[in-house]
Amino acid sequence: GAGVSQSPRYKVTKRGQDVALRCDPISGHVSLYWYRQALGQGPEFLTYFNYEAQQDKSGLPNDRFSAERPEGSISTLTIQRTEQRDSAMYRCASSLGRYTGELFFGEGSRLTVL
Amino acid sequence: KNEVEQSPQNLTAQEGEFITINCSYSVGISALHWLQQHPGGGIVSLFMLSSGKKKHGRLIATINIQEKHSSLHITASHPRDSAVYICAVRFIGNEKLTFGTGTRLTIIP
Repeated sequence: GAGVSQSPRYKVTKRGQDVALRCDPISGHVSLYWYRQALGQGPEFLTYFNYEAQQDKSGLPNDRFSAERPEGSISTLTIQRTEQRDSAMYRCASSLGRYTGELFFGEGSRLTVL
Repeated sequence: KNEVEQSPQNLTAQEGEFITINCSYSVGISALHWLQQHPGGGIVSLFMLSSGKKKHGRLIATINIQEKHSSLHITASHPRDSAVYICAVRFIGNEKLTFGTGTRLTIIP
């Protein structure tokens, strides 16, 4: 497709389970960003990649969160041993360039941990 | 400390009014983005600025680098403009975006 695609759109899981969220950026976009947005709050930075290299993971809350982009295209955000506080909308965005370039956001993956 | 502040937090106006939303930041930036998020919806990029002014339809975005301030204006506001408007900046030397808290705009018919 022409836009940023995220899957699944909705994920309900039980506490303690692992989840994997996928982001398929616009073809050719160098930079890929992961954000998290709690209900009624603004987006919160998690991590980002330029090509396949993870440039900054300072926003990942703890070591249960990890992300990869092995071939510089599709990225996966993995949350291990999920907790209720992990419930949020997880958003991915991509941009053509590194320091500049318009951001294109996916529709997000809403995670609910019971 | 790299900070972004938006004002007002909430804004209600009558249809047709001229709207201004403000964004201030603490240190030098390489780019500033204005984003729009409708209730329950996705995030759409409206503008990316590094200097000057941009216009798209009824939307105008300006930035004053010296004053570290940007404004988003909406002319002839319409109920469909009701959304949360978010300012996000890339601070120099840091590629990640830092987001403002957003401005919730409601336009009453």
